[in-house]
Amino acid sequence: QVQLQQSGPGLVEPAQTLSLTCAISGDSVSSNSAAWNWVRQTPSRGLEWLGRTVYRSKWYTEYAFSVQSRISIKPDTSKNHFSLQLNSVTPEDTAIYYCARMTTTGGLDCWGQGTPVTVSS
Amino acid sequence: DTHMTQSPSSLSASIGDRITITCRADHDIRSSLNWYQQRPGKAPELLIYGASNLQSGVPPRFSGSGSGTDFTLTINSLRPEDFASYFCQQSSGTPLTFGGGTKVEIK
Repeated sequence: QVQLQQSGPGLVEPAQTLSLTCAISGDSVSSNSAAWNWVRQTPSRGLEWLGRTVYRSKWYTEYAFSVQSRISIKPDTSKNHFSLQLNSVTPEDTAIYYCARMTTTGGLDCWGQGTPVTVSS
Repeated sequence: DTHMTQSPSSLSASIGDRITITCRADHDIRSSLNWYQQRPGKAPELLIYGASNLQSGVPPRFSGSGSGTDFTLTINSLRPEDFASYFCQQSSGTPLTFGGGTKVEIK
């Protein structure tokens, strides 16, 4: 059974970097049939896809246009996890952040537990 | 980006009712449409993928239909655990985009 376990701080100061990690068990970040995503959720904006990392003989990364200038999603094969870094955060980045696996069905079939992140001084 | 419009945003229903939630894409996404249930304080859970395929472990009272731009999620014979929020999501291309959600409440 695949499980995703998120870790990272719940409070980030404005202009600083939000960093979260998603540890994978039961699958591999290097799987050729999965994509590893970050999604966030707010009451006002709903569910918002941030980006993903995919391995298909080589690594590919895609980001949402709204955050592409300040986001980085990286796999770590030695630890079997992937990470999210979001730079220069503002209060608008306050949200619940989720990691999620997408398989060849196209659905996000496994989610982390969610990390509420508040951007505040 | 593909914009997803979901309706209604909320509905009230009774245990045993049959309900339908609709999702519309602003352009053809074939059958690349997925449905999720989210209970308060929890992560979304995949119910339906590819518009009409039941995710493993999901009860058969849930069903999905549609293709192109118009899709529906039907829940037959509502149970107490079905009172939650539901979201559609397109996987036709990136960015992945979600509908605004439907909150199903007890009447």
